[in-house]
Amino acid sequence: DQQVKQNSPSLSVQEGRISILNCDYTNSMFDYFLWYKKYPAEGPTFLISISSIKDKNEDGRFTVFLNKSAKHLSLHIVPSQPGDSAVYFCAARRGGESGGSNYKLTFGKGTLLTVNP
Amino acid sequence: GAVVSQHPSWVICKSGTSVKIECRSLDFQATTMFWYRQFPKQSLMLMATSNEGSKATYEQGVEKDKFLINHASLTLSTLTVTSAHPEDSSFYICSAQQPNTEAFFGQGTRLTVV
Repeated sequence: DQQVKQNSPSLSVQEGRISILNCDYTNSMFDYFLWYKKYPAEGPTFLISISSIKDKNEDGRFTVFLNKSAKHLSLHIVPSQPGDSAVYFCAARRGGESGGSNYKLTFGKGTLLTVNP
Repeated sequence: GAVVSQHPSWVICKSGTSVKIECRSLDFQATTMFWYRQFPKQSLMLMATSNEGSKATYEQGVEKDKFLINHASLTLSTLTVTSAHPEDSSFYICSAQQPNTEAFFGQGTRLTVV
């Protein structure tokens, strides 16, 4: 059962344009969402996150939008740059008591973003 | 951001041997570390949750006797793949985090069993 879904395995955009990466989730217990960027043969690096009490979080060129009613979030990158080309993973975490396995992340399958010069 | 170091970054071993992978949090104390496995073109699959000073919690379908996890200190967790076979070849990644922070990942270990 895929609780976090990234339905687009790949996305190609032109340099300077906006990249929009989408993510859907099914578990209503998720209350914290994160986006990670991953290059081949490397571990993921944290990009941006959003708590379920917010609907938008912005950090430089990266903005994450959360629509709780639709159980949908998206990552916007603008303007896109060739160095942004990577696999982007959406991840979600359940709330609850502190510590232990409540902090484990559930990942989507990732979307390969290619930004063409 | 915080630094998590994973070692080795790649390893080739013979079938039937054991391989140990280390995960260290370099600038913070990680009460919880996670071990993931990634197959080509697939997502990161959580294998187990490692809490300092206690036994690891394994995800369904992960053999605890095959993937031994030790979290002996707040900065070090190890994953030992015992009696490795070619089907264990994969990309293994650890992450470390403190409560209410994002997870920081190691650079991953490419294991090839021949």
